[in-house]
Amino acid sequence: LAKTTQPISMDSYEGQEVNITCSHNNIATNDYITWYQQFPSQGPRFIIQGYKTKVTNEVASLFIPADRKSSTLSLPRVSLSDTAVYYCLVGKMNTGFQKLVFGTGTRLLVSP
Amino acid sequence: GAVVSQHPSWVICKSGTSVKIECRSLDFQATTMFWYRQFPKQSLMLMATSNEGSKATYEQGVEKDKFLINHASLTLSTLTVTSAHPEDSSFYICSAPGLAGGGYNEQFFGPGTRLTVL
Repeated sequence: LAKTTQPISMDSYEGQEVNITCSHNNIATNDYITWYQQFPSQGPRFIIQGYKTKVTNEVASLFIPADRKSSTLSLPRVSLSDTAVYYCLVGKMNTGFQKLVFGTGTRLLVSP
Repeated sequence: GAVVSQHPSWVICKSGTSVKIECRSLDFQATTMFWYRQFPKQSLMLMATSNEGSKATYEQGVEKDKFLINHASLTLSTLTVTSAHPEDSSFYICSAPGLAGGGYNEQFFGPGTRLTVL
């Protein structure tokens, strides 16, 4: 599985847009990029998945440049409840059957 | 999305005892499930892949005789921590692949089980 690199932590304020970038220089042609969110003492929750360009859902947007060596998770107008750890994973996750290797994740703290 | 449950949500036990943790896929079948362990302020670490009707596959460094996995049905996998010791205290999380709304499969995670060994 392609190794990912993310900032260890980020701070933001309520109402701001937060962009978390993930580097995955060794991404394979058939790899997807998936982001998970984890609150303390809970299991991770799927946020968004993409292969190229831009993907948007009701929670976030995922921007993937043409070379796919990085991706950016964008959270619009964050609230206090968005304080969590965000993990970027790369692999053939569209199948759902591949074991996931979690990196360090990015600890986002949203303040009032 | 699909729902995965775990039981118990937390457990406290004495050193030397065994603890069983259940992972259930509530509204879908899962021939494969995954078990993770997470220590405080750390990331999830994959322990093993649970396969229905066959032996589990353990990650390097995980003792298969200490962490017994049984996947007896298409909706249930169990993790038994045998002869638990304080260093086994951790947050144990399971996941199962299921069909997501976008038409592709994703892994759905359980809420986790907090194990404290005294």
